[in-house]
Amino acid sequence: EVQLVESGGGLVQPGGSLRLSCAASGFTFSSYSMNWVRQAPGKGLEWVSYISSSSSTIYYADSVKGRFTISRDNAKNSLYLQMNSLRAEDTAVYYCARDAAFKVTVTTNSAFDIWGQGTMVTVSS
Amino acid sequence: DIQMTQSPSSLSASVGDRVTITCRASQSISSYLNWYQQKPGKAPKLLIYAASSLQSGVPSRFSGSGSGTDFTLTISSLQPEDFATYYCQQSYSTPLFAFGPGTKVDIK
Repeated sequence: EVQLVESGGGLVQPGGSLRLSCAASGFTFSSYSMNWVRQAPGKGLEWVSYISSSSSTIYYADSVKGRFTISRDNAKNSLYLQMNSLRAEDTAVYYCARDAAFKVTVTTNSAFDIWGQGTMVTVSS
Repeated sequence: DIQMTQSPSSLSASVGDRVTITCRASQSISSYLNWYQQKPGKAPKLLIYAASSLQSGVPSRFSGSGSGTDFTLTISSLQPEDFATYYCQQSYSTPLFAFGPGTKVDIK
């Protein structure tokens, strides 16, 4: 079964750090780009970060740039998000999501076809 | 930066109704537009990619259309399991993979 399972969420004080993990199974993890997406309580979806299959290309949303670091270990089929200098506004459910990179005619269209169940991060004193 | 908007923000509909949700980009994104469905407490589910391609396993009552800046998601005959929030997402340029604000579909 194709699956993503996040872990590492919890309660952390403002200014603190947390490392999220996402374990992949049922597919060739090293062939896919991956993403982190978050959702604050009662709010919409916010894309956070992207990493290519070989880690050669990385992008961040402006809201987390300089504070969060995405990484992956293809040998361990795992994706990570190191979150530093956490703020109250980082409180959210964090999802990892696979980029399907659909081939459409001559182009490639990114879309997130597999999602984890999410892990809650609460930043509060 | 490309901004995504959706309308309406919410709607009430009955089982069997035809439902249309609109997504608009602040500049042309060609066909780099995806649609997701999210139910409370669950992860989002991909419905449509590249504006009009139906994701495997998604019922054919869901369809997508549009290109450039204006896109629509249509549910041809609303079913009880379709009551959810729907998000569009662009994958054309930075901020990469920005989502629209969502449209909540609930029971009339």
